[in-house]
Amino acid sequence: NAGVMQNPRHLVRRRGQEARLRCSPMKGHSHVYWYRQLPEEGLKFMVYLQKENIIDESGMPKERFSAEFPKEGPSILRIQQVVRGDSAAYFCASSSQSLDHSPLHFGNGTRLTVT
Amino acid sequence: KNEVEQSPQNLTAQEGEFITINCSYSVGISALHWLQQHPGGGIVSLFMLSSGKKKHGRLIATINIQEKHSSLHITASHPRDSAVYICAVPSNTGNQFYFGTGTSLTVIP
Repeated sequence: NAGVMQNPRHLVRRRGQEARLRCSPMKGHSHVYWYRQLPEEGLKFMVYLQKENIIDESGMPKERFSAEFPKEGPSILRIQQVVRGDSAAYFCASSSQSLDHSPLHFGNGTRLTVT
Repeated sequence: KNEVEQSPQNLTAQEGEFITINCSYSVGISALHWLQQHPGGGIVSLFMLSSGKKKHGRLIATINIQEKHSSLHITASHPRDSAVYICAVPSNTGNQFYFGTGTSLTVIP
């Protein structure tokens, strides 16, 4: 039973390019969360999705960032026109129910470096 | 004020010592989570608890809902326990976590 799979593990982009981060949740999990961790800082919530729906995107910057979780395929976090400040580790996590009722399973993260 | 406060921020222990990490929260919750982040960056969920005590190997987590306080204990600590331990509680909507700032633990052989 594979855990949460994130790819790529490392991603290098030049300023102005687009970054696409992928996350396949654990089998049977319909709740997906994206978190960002800046260097030497804690985890910060970005967005919470259930299949085909964005439930809460209050932690995601309004511009350049978008997320989706289509009916088929992985969840995608997309960052357009990346800037140096976007360099961070991006973690995806999934659960079978809401956070009140089930533990979170994390992927290994994607480390984005913007040069 | 943060919704979740952890202490200590940094902790160094000798191998074999008993370790306690504390977490206090200000929001009403139905469950609290303890996470472990290894030096390589991977994050593992250690416990989800809503009352009393849970034990897994050398790790013990307790929670007092009335006092809004939880503790994570490590018995017979080992260098491989060196990691950042994070306390997290769901928001009122259940849509996201409020995270503690983390406790960086180093266990010296």
